[in-house]
Amino acid sequence: DAGVIQSPRHEVTEMGQEVTLRCKPISGHDYLFWYRQTMMRGLELLIYFNNNVPIDDSGMPEDRFSAKMPNASFSTLKIQPSEPRDSAVYFCASSQGAGGANVLTFGAGSRLTVL
Amino acid sequence: AQSVTQPDIHITVSEGASLELRCNYSYGATPYLFWYVQSPGQGLQLLLKYFSGDTLVQGIKGFEAEFKRSQSSFNLRKPSVHWSDAAEYFCAVGNQAGTALIFGKGTTLSVSS
Repeated sequence: DAGVIQSPRHEVTEMGQEVTLRCKPISGHDYLFWYRQTMMRGLELLIYFNNNVPIDDSGMPEDRFSAKMPNASFSTLKIQPSEPRDSAVYFCASSQGAGGANVLTFGAGSRLTVL
Repeated sequence: AQSVTQPDIHITVSEGASLELRCNYSYGATPYLFWYVQSPGQGLQLLLKYFSGDTLVQGIKGFEAEFKRSQSSFNLRKPSVHWSDAAEYFCAVGNQAGTALIFGKGTTLSVSS
């Protein structure tokens, strides 16, 4: 398996633009997680899905953020409109079984810079 | 509230010296504990995990960690550090209920020659 695949690896955009980050989890994994990493706040859980259903989105910063998982092999995290404070590295991770009791496999991350 | 604290933001050790990275957690239930490592520009990779049983767990790359319930700690150790160990290290806590992992803010390890 190629692991968790994220795209794009780097994104530079201007404030107000829409940003879409993509994730392909490992085949057979039934949990998918989106984390955001910043220097100030470390790794923050944004949202996670189980069998394509959002379970906990309490970490999503505000209504500008949305995430979908239309099928078992694809998820998106969208920011509209983007702001400079959204600049961060966004990680997708997947696991087989409950995330707390099983190993997360992380993607390489998408580094977002909002000017 | 559940939380993970890594008291040391940055640690520098000499190559060949021993290493201990600290991790303290606050968790109401029996915790599942993890250490992950992140190399520059990469995602996180699991080093080791503790679910139950022997409180001293072995991981990859020669790392080990000891769970001490009385101290709410799960410190990571390595007897002899190599230059390739320079990275950021994250402690995380979870449980069997299926909630997502909570991560500490990380400790950056630098290795001097």
